[in-house]
Amino acid sequence: NAGVTQTPKFQVLKTGQSMTLQCAQDMNHNSMYWYRQDPGMGLRLIYYSASEGTTDKGEVPNGYNVSRLNKREFSLRLESAAPSQTSVYFCASSENRGLGGYTFGSGTRLTVV
Amino acid sequence: GNSVTQMEGPVTLSEEAFLTINCTYTATGYPSLFWYVQYPGEGLQLLLKATKADDKGSNKGFEATYRKETTSFHLEKGSVQVSDSAVYFCALSDIQGAQKLVFGQGTRLTINP
Repeated sequence: NAGVTQTPKFQVLKTGQSMTLQCAQDMNHNSMYWYRQDPGMGLRLIYYSASEGTTDKGEVPNGYNVSRLNKREFSLRLESAAPSQTSVYFCASSENRGLGGYTFGSGTRLTVV
Repeated sequence: GNSVTQMEGPVTLSEEAFLTINCTYTATGYPSLFWYVQYPGEGLQLLLKATKADDKGSNKGFEATYRKETTSFHLEKGSVQVSDSAVYFCALSDIQGAQKLVFGQGTRLTINP
């Protein structure tokens, strides 16, 4: 019963470096999401994928790109990391476009120095 | 746009006290409403939900009622335990498009023995 798996759990990057955060779900969910969590700001949507083959921008997409590789996997890429991207990143999936609630991964804590 | 406002924390209570965490929302139409809980170092877990006006969601002794007239979804528990210490997020499901979740800023709850 893995649910949503995120890798890595922790990462430290230097400004300007790139990296990809991986996310995979084994619940056959159609929709997947990437959020970032910052103190006092709740969770903010970066990108989402309503179904395999589609991706759309959320509230804070600048500096990020995503790929919905297949129904299971949804990756988030930082092309040139900035200190403002220091955050905890959560991937989530949903069966019926969010109406039943999301299943979240355990998060990736990213620090950009 | 849609938004969720939660009471500011942190909230500190003694064990067996009564808990209320206020949540109000702004949305077009009739969104679904959710409470999520985040324990230290973990992702968010769905606590309860309500999909239409006057519905009451409940789980693990927590309850919340969807009040359309006051646009509220307050979380309550009659007798809290130390194990309830966590961050609680109120959220609504955008009824448009991919029905993305919009989160409040979170309320940190600490229960002292």
